[in-house]
Amino acid sequence: GDSVTQMEGPVTLSEEAFLTINCTYTATGYPSLFWYVQYPGEGLQLLLKATKADDKGSNKGFEATYRKETTSFHLEKGSVQVSDSAVYFCALNYGGATNKLIFGTGTLLAVQP
Amino acid sequence: DVKVTQSSRYLVKRTGEKVFLECVQDMDHENMFWYRQDPGLGLRLIYFSYDVKMKEKGDIPEGYSVSREKKERFSLILESASTNQTSMYLCASTPVGRGNTIYFGEGSWLTVV
Repeated sequence: GDSVTQMEGPVTLSEEAFLTINCTYTATGYPSLFWYVQYPGEGLQLLLKATKADDKGSNKGFEATYRKETTSFHLEKGSVQVSDSAVYFCALNYGGATNKLIFGTGTLLAVQP
Repeated sequence: DVKVTQSSRYLVKRTGEKVFLECVQDMDHENMFWYRQDPGLGLRLIYFSYDVKMKEKGDIPEGYSVSREKKERFSLILESASTNQTSMYLCASTPVGRGNTIYFGEGSWLTVV
């Protein structure tokens, strides 16, 4: 079946460091890919998405490229801030009538000043 | 802005109690979901609904039921709460269609003692 695999956390970085959080997927079709972020004590918010191969999603300095050949959707940011500390979830879905999301296990990012 | 509202943020219930978690969305979305979030396991789908009075089991439906009598409201019911149902519960909604964003509520922290 379909699945999403993320790198295990926690990831601890100093402010202004470069961030990469790896995400790979297994899919039987051609899904859309998403990154969601969960700040402490809150629900999940969409960070960015890509709906087809070679699309790049970007938001708030974060970006990820849909790589069909490597089945990956790695999240990157050039310079992290303390306010980026959160849990990041990679996910996929196919849309359609039900639009279910399949999530990875989440990666905790802690940014230190 | 889309709003998904979970009526209870923090609940403490006793083993064996019947528990209702309520979720309301204000954007006329067809699809609504209940997820459970646990450390190291990510988000797991309990139930989803693609229309009024329509529901389907997700990955972990045992011990739960749902009700969708109106399009905007999706309730999760724990018929007889148990300590292994202590968790964070997240409601979400989305319109039908590929690549559409799924919107989450802020979550309900349930502790069963």
